[in-house]
Amino acid sequence: DAGVTQSPTHLIKTRGQQVTLRCSPKSGHDTVSWYQQALGQGPQFIFQYYEEEERQRGNFPDRFSGHQFPNYSSELNVNALLLGDSALYLCASSLASAPYGYTFGSGTRLTVV
Amino acid sequence: GENVEQHPSTLSVQEGDSAVIKCTYSDSASNYFPWYKQELGKGPQLIIDIRSNVGEKKDQRIAVTLNKTAKHFSLHITETQPEDSAVYFCAASIGSGTYKYIFGTGTRLKVLA
Repeated sequence: DAGVTQSPTHLIKTRGQQVTLRCSPKSGHDTVSWYQQALGQGPQFIFQYYEEEERQRGNFPDRFSGHQFPNYSSELNVNALLLGDSALYLCASSLASAPYGYTFGSGTRLTVV
Repeated sequence: GENVEQHPSTLSVQEGDSAVIKCTYSDSASNYFPWYKQELGKGPQLIIDIRSNVGEKKDQRIAVTLNKTAKHFSLHITETQPEDSAVYFCAASIGSGTYKYIFGTGTRLKVLA
């Protein structure tokens, strides 16, 4: 049973560019949450998607947007990249009917130069 | 705003000894407290969790205690083994009935053989 799959694993972008990160949830899960983890810090909640809609959002600017597809997979988009956006981006999936306890993916390491 | 403080930031113990990591939270509405283990290059893995209506929970060598009055919760690992070496994060749900979490800043645990 595959867990949460994220792609790509690493990427390097230039300031001002746009990036799209992808996530496939664990089989049977229908809810996807995205977190940003800066080096040496704990993950910070970006937003959560359920039934193809953004259900909750953390304290992140509108440059961060997302999407959930009918197959429950999700994308995180970041526009106008800043150096400070360099981080590990984690996707976590869960089941709306049993929401406690995420399953995290291994993340996408984004470096902005 | 909501905050979770975690101590210590680093912890070294001899193999077979116990390790204790402590967290405090600020949001009195928090009702779910998971603990995650993160190994190098991997995403966080849920190791144990506790809900606000329970004071203690144990799973083999791992236990978590919760003091809602003091807004404290702790992770206890007994009979530590080298494979317990990792970064551990505590987290608290933001508000009640939300499934987004605020994480502590992490504890790097080293178990010395």
